Amino acid sequence: KQEVTQIPAALSVPEGENLVLNCSFTDSAIYNLQWFRQDPGKGLTSLLLIQSSQREQTSGRLNASLDKSSGRSTLYIAASQPGDSATYLCAVLIQGAQKLVFGQGTRLTINP
Amino acid sequence: EAQVTQNPRYLITVTGKKLTVTCSQNMNHEYMSWYRQDPGLGLRQIYYSMNVEVTDKGDVPEGYKVSRKEKRNFPLILESPSPNQTSLYFCASSLHTGELFFGEGSRLTVL
Repeated sequence: KQEVTQIPAALSVPEGENLVLNCSFTDSAIYNLQWFRQDPGKGLTSLLLIQSSQREQTSGRLNASLDKSSGRSTLYIAASQPGDSATYLCAVLIQGAQKLVFGQGTRLTINP
Repeated sequence: EAQVTQNPRYLITVTGKKLTVTCSQNMNHEYMSWYRQDPGLGLRQIYYSMNVEVTDKGDVPEGYKVSRKEKRNFPLILESPSPNQTSLYFCASSLHTGELFFGEGSRLTVL
């Protein structure tokens, strides 16, 4: 059974710092991995999608990497801003099943 | 604008009173899915649909029904809601194996 773990559960950093969020999964048979952002009481916003054949994706200050063999992904946020404060979730799409398995998320707070 | 629209956004109901949460997407996506989000349990898949008239159970389908008569719509039906179905519900859609787009969520309270 695929399990997705995100560490840490919560993170608080000063504005301007670069930071890394971690995601690990137990089964490497995945189609893709997706990072989402969720603001309190809101829906999920897709940030980056990495297909299983890719190693990384970049969008603005965000960079996501994927190491399928070790079951790990990282989301790198450069020059963090207070507006980046949110919960970040990673999810993997399991091969052979149209099922997205989510991690529990990392609640990020950027302090001005 | 590409979007997934859910209604209602907020609903308070009583045990046993049938309700439907609608979901509509305007991106011509084949795949649609319903999730519930609960504190400490994260997001769990209820049902999904690969295309019109094709639906399948997710991890927590008990107490829910779905239908996919049209490509754009994927309603979630609670025939006899119970308090343990109080939750935040999300509908999502994508092309197969593609980026998943979520609705804004529907907060349901069952008394």
